[in-house]
This record gives sequence, C-alpha cells and structure tokens, in this order.
Amino acid sequence: QKEVEQNSGPLSVPEGAIASLNCTYSDRGSQSFFWYRQYSGKSPELIMSIYSNGDKEDGRFTAQLNKASQYVSLLIRDSQPSDSATYLCAVKPGATNKLIFGTGTLLAVQP
Amino acid sequence: DVKVTQSSRYLVKRTGEKVFLECVQDMDHENMFWYRQDPGLGLRLIYFSYDVKMKEKGDIPEGYSVSREKKERFSLILESASTNQTSMYLCAVSRGAYGYTFGSGTRLTVV
Repeated sequence: QKEVEQNSGPLSVPEGAIASLNCTYSDRGSQSFFWYRQYSGKSPELIMSIYSNGDKEDGRFTAQLNKASQYVSLLIRDSQPSDSATYLCAVKPGATNKLIFGTGTLLAVQP
Repeated sequence: DVKVTQSSRYLVKRTGEKVFLECVQDMDHENMFWYRQDPGLGLRLIYFSYDVKMKEKGDIPEGYSVSREKKERFSLILESASTNQTSMYLCAVSRGAYGYTFGSGTRLTVV
C-alpha cells in the first residue's frame, strides 16, 4: 500500500514566523510531488510542485525534496493569518496519473 | 490551465433518492477522478476514469457508480442515497506530471 504521511497538527505559528510542514512517502518510485492548500469548506488548490532533489522557491513558499530519505517539506516564510489552512501533500508514483494524498496538516497562524 | 466545474455547490437529498453529481472540464484531459472528503479521513478515491467509457474503482466505490460518455464530463451517481454518504465530493482532473486541478466541490447532505 503506497502511503503518504503527514502530521495532522494543528501547527500553530505566530505571524511573521516560518511555518515548516513535513511529509514522508513510502513509494521509492515516486516522480512528482505536490503541495495543495485547502481553506475550510473550499477545494484544494495547487501551490507548489517539485520534481527533483533540492529546494524550489516561489515567493514566500519553498518546497524541499529528499528522495533518499523519502521526505518532502514546505516552508512558508513570513507567515500570515491568511496562510491558515490545511496543507495536503500529494505524491505521484511512477507511471500512474493517480496522486496519493496525505491527510493534511492544519496550519494556524496567530496574529 | 484547465477549468473544472462542478454543477452544484450544495445539495440536500432524501434517503433513497438517486443523486447525480456532474463534473465538466474545459480541456481535453483524459484522467478524471471523484473523491469524497470527510473530517479526519482525508481524500478518499471513489472512482476514476482514464478515457471515455473507461472507469476504474477507487478505494471506496460501494454505493456509487460513474458515467463518462464524453471526454469533458464525468458524472458520479449515488444509486440510493444514504445518510453515510453525506460528505464533500470533489472532482479532479489530472494534468499528468503537473498534478490535479480540482473543482469547487459539492457539499452533499442526505437527510
């Protein structure tokens, strides 16, 4: 069974701090990795994708991938109350187009 | 980018009714998915389709069926709605290596 694991949280950080969200996955053949943000009552929206080892930065967001450790993370710098949401990690194993989702981490940014 | 439209944002149906949830994409992507999302359980795959008239069961297909007569439209059918099918239903379209785009979701309440 291919799995994606996330800490459910809540992760509480003060406004302006760095939020660090983590995800591990079981399938070593996984090729693509995604972070989705989901506000309460809304559908998930893609915020970051990463395909190779290392860091990928987009504005205040940085995705980090370590395939040897089967570990993906998302850093949010200068966290804002508007970043408060559930963050879903998703992994695309091998040849399939079917994503495997973690259960999500609830982030709460305190003003 | 693909636009994914779910026909209803909120639905209230009675136990035993046949319920149709519609999902339409505005491009030509082959892979479409239906998920349900419940608190604490994350996204659970109900059915997916990789082409017209092609479908595969996901992790929780019981009580559901699907229809894909045209490439742009993927319908989820609750044959006889039950209260345990009260949930948020999310349609997603795969963009291959670029992940999924989700529709806005349908919150279904069965009374």
